[in-house]
Amino acid sequence: TQLLEQSPQFLSIQEGENLTVYCNSSSVFSSLQWYRQEPGEGPVLLVTVVTGGEVKKLKRLTFQFGDARKDSSLHITAAQPGDTGLYLCAGQRGNEKLTFGTGTRLTIIP
Amino acid sequence: DAGITQSPRHKVTETGTPVTLRCHQTENHRYMYWYRQDPGHGLRLIHYSYGVKDTDKGEVSDGYSVSRSKTEDFLLTLESATSSQTSVYFCAIRPVGGSYEQYFGPGTRLTVT
Repeated sequence: TQLLEQSPQFLSIQEGENLTVYCNSSSVFSSLQWYRQEPGEGPVLLVTVVTGGEVKKLKRLTFQFGDARKDSSLHITAAQPGDTGLYLCAGQRGNEKLTFGTGTRLTIIP
Repeated sequence: DAGITQSPRHKVTETGTPVTLRCHQTENHRYMYWYRQDPGHGLRLIHYSYGVKDTDKGEVSDGYSVSRSKTEDFLLTLESATSSQTSVYFCAIRPVGGSYEQYFGPGTRLTVT
């Protein structure tokens, strides 16, 4: 059973377009993180959200945690080729472990 | 840079042989984790450690064992490698405090033939 579902699995868009990817669960999380992974490398932490309804911005990336702390979204404005990668969400539920989603593979076409 | 290295970075081995992967960190973090990453499954936790000689199983621990005799090293052993253990293996650390953020090593690509 996959606790965290990410959608879409694959997304390919033109440079300059906007996009949103989603991370959904039926479980409540104490915190949720987003990572980006490039080929041949480990995931790199982008952001952590901890409060229901919280919005964080990282340059052109906007992250939102759902009010009920069961879901999250990542919105990218004016996508650039450097945004290409695998985006992973991960939720923490009060113990020492994280549960990872299966990821959204994003390709930005120049 | 969380100062995490993994060795080897690539390995090809035969079915039935034992294999040990090493994760080394330079910042004395207490918590360390081993994951495997496979298409369609994302990152799945194999084992994790709270400190020296203090380890616990994750969701896919069958066929794997770990040891942590020093804070800086966390070893993952495949006791008798099988083709289903072909994967990319990542080590991660978690700093104490914060919101459970984890920082990952560069990974080891293991192929079992």
